[in-house]
Amino acid sequence: ETGVTQTPRHLVMGMTNKKSLKCEQHLGHNAMYWYKQSAKKPLELMFVYNFKEQTENNSVPSRFSPECPNSSHLFLHLHTLQPEDSALYLCASSQEAVGFSPLHFGNGTRLTVT
Amino acid sequence: DQQVKQNSPSLSVQEGRISILNCDYTNSMFDYFLWYKKYPAEGPTFLISISSIKDKNEDGRFTVFLNKSAKHLSLHIVPSQPGDSAVYFCAAPSYNQGGKLIFGQGTELSVKP
Repeated sequence: ETGVTQTPRHLVMGMTNKKSLKCEQHLGHNAMYWYKQSAKKPLELMFVYNFKEQTENNSVPSRFSPECPNSSHLFLHLHTLQPEDSALYLCASSQEAVGFSPLHFGNGTRLTVT
Repeated sequence: DQQVKQNSPSLSVQEGRISILNCDYTNSMFDYFLWYKKYPAEGPTFLISISSIKDKNEDGRFTVFLNKSAKHLSLHIVPSQPGDSAVYFCAAPSYNQGGKLIFGQGTELSVKP
């Protein structure tokens, strides 16, 4: 399997649930990212990991908790979410954590919070 | 304050004609720009980039033009094909924000047969 793989593709959860999004990259990249895409809005960067170390938390609420156990895997743990958190969550990777290193995106997890 | 703007949410073009997607930016420190294409139910894919030392970069049917004085770039697709129908995002790394990519809102291109 190649590229960036995200699971699940779709997720419906209640506000009191706890769930996790998973991302795996098979590209040998050193940096991994979580982005959020809401309707009619630009992609918003949430977290950046470079060589497994978190280098950026873009003022994301604590109900979103990332985890990067190694350079190939990235998780986003979700708990007590709000309906406005419903969005497409995209994982990406790049060779280096610099802006001119093109991002390779997964197909995203479509999250609905009820 | 949105630093990268795509003011046209949608564009419709006839097959075989030219598609021109526009992007404006406000930060004069931006020196590298990328275009991504996104199909429904898929993640964005990198399409083409341009450095500020150039004013044009071409890759097959895709050409990006950069006008630094106007802080404007455009993506030209010629000839347009129905398979080009997608949402196109322009983006720029912001070095005073740790190099993170700043994305525009996207323009949805529809190429009619």
